[in-house]
Amino acid sequence: DQQVKQNSPSLSVQEGRISILNCDYTNSMFDYFLWYKKYPAEGPTFLISISSIKDKNEDGRFTVFLNKSAKHLSLHIVPSQPGDSAVYFCAAGGANSKLTFGKGITLSVRP
Amino acid sequence: DAGVIQSPRHEVTEMGQEVTLRCKPISGHDYLFWYRQTMMRGLELLIYFNNNVPIDDSGMPEDRFSAKMPNASFSTLKIQPSEPRDSAVYFCASSFDGETQYFGPGTRLLVL
Repeated sequence: DQQVKQNSPSLSVQEGRISILNCDYTNSMFDYFLWYKKYPAEGPTFLISISSIKDKNEDGRFTVFLNKSAKHLSLHIVPSQPGDSAVYFCAAGGANSKLTFGKGITLSVRP
Repeated sequence: DAGVIQSPRHEVTEMGQEVTLRCKPISGHDYLFWYRQTMMRGLELLIYFNNNVPIDDSGMPEDRFSAKMPNASFSTLKIQPSEPRDSAVYFCASSFDGETQYFGPGTRLLVL
């Protein structure tokens, strides 16, 4: 029973264009959401988060949008850069401090 | 800050042997989490501690797995005896607020 789903395993984008990474969840008790970026042979690195009381959070080139009614969030990266090529994980958490992770999506940014 | 430190980075052992993975959380972080990552199951939470006390160990697969946190700057995850299906990458993460978690580089375990 996957409570956090990243349905696309991979995404390829041209450098300079926008990357949109999607994530769906099923548990309405989740009240905060995070995106992590992971390079091979490294641990996941925290990128950006959003609380359920917001619908948007922005940090430089990264913006996360949350649609609570649709139980959907997305990460926008603009402009995309080759260094953004990595695996991106969506994660959701609730009152118990436990995070549930999606399976990840591999982003490739073509020069 | 040095970030979360894990050791060893790689471990190769034979089935039946005891394996001990170590973690030093970021100073000041009161939460510590142990995860396992496999191709099939992705990133799974095994156990987490708050102020050195185990809070939730429902993700620990079986009695062969145990975790301790004797003080605020050190935790261990032990597998005894190890089995080939335990082969995975094990991550430790710490958090100051119980929400945003910061991960270590992981330990890649191979049980032959």
